[in-house]
Amino acid sequence: GENVEQHPSTLSVQEGDSAVIKCTYSDSASNYFPWYKQELGKRPQLIIDIRSNVGEKKDQRIAVTLNKTAKHFSLHITETQPEDSAVYFCAASYSGGGADGLTFGKGTHLIIQP
Amino acid sequence: NAGVTQTPKFQVLKTGQSMTLQCAQDMNHNSMYWYRQDPGMGLRLIYYSASEGTTDKGEVPNGYNVSRLNKREFSLRLESAAPSQTSVYFCASSETLRGLSYTFGSGTRLTVV
Repeated sequence: GENVEQHPSTLSVQEGDSAVIKCTYSDSASNYFPWYKQELGKRPQLIIDIRSNVGEKKDQRIAVTLNKTAKHFSLHITETQPEDSAVYFCAASYSGGGADGLTFGKGTHLIIQP
Repeated sequence: NAGVTQTPKFQVLKTGQSMTLQCAQDMNHNSMYWYRQDPGMGLRLIYYSASEGTTDKGEVPNGYNVSRLNKREFSLRLESAAPSQTSVYFCASSETLRGLSYTFGSGTRLTVV
């Protein structure tokens, strides 16, 4: 099955700086890569996703890049704000036989320092 | 439009007690999932149902059972709760099993003493 590694586990940045979270996946058949944000005590919510036929996708201050050859994808947050403080999860969806949906990374706790 | 509704939100059980976590979605999704979330472990799949009438084990199924009651409802049962099952449980749904994002419920915080 798929295995997703996520780094770092904790990331502290100054407000206004950029933050980058990186994930690698094991199975080259994976073709869908969403990112979820989970605020303290809340449910995970989708913030951006990318498919394997696209190399980069942007939505305001958030962008995701995908390198299929290296099997890694990254979340970039620019001009960070206090409300960006949360746990972020990457995930990969394998489309082959026996697939069981999304496989999640272990999460990154992003802390925005004032 | 409620999305995915989970009940209860909080529960305390004694070791050996049983309980059922309920999940219902109103988005006409085919696939539903149960995850547990523990500190530093991310979201781990317990069971999933690709479509009505089917259920399959995920990464950590031991100690749990599930029922896909109909297209809307997917319940998770703990037959004999253990302290190791203390966790936050999330139900989720998606239109299909592959290639689409999930909508999560608000979670159930379960403590087994």
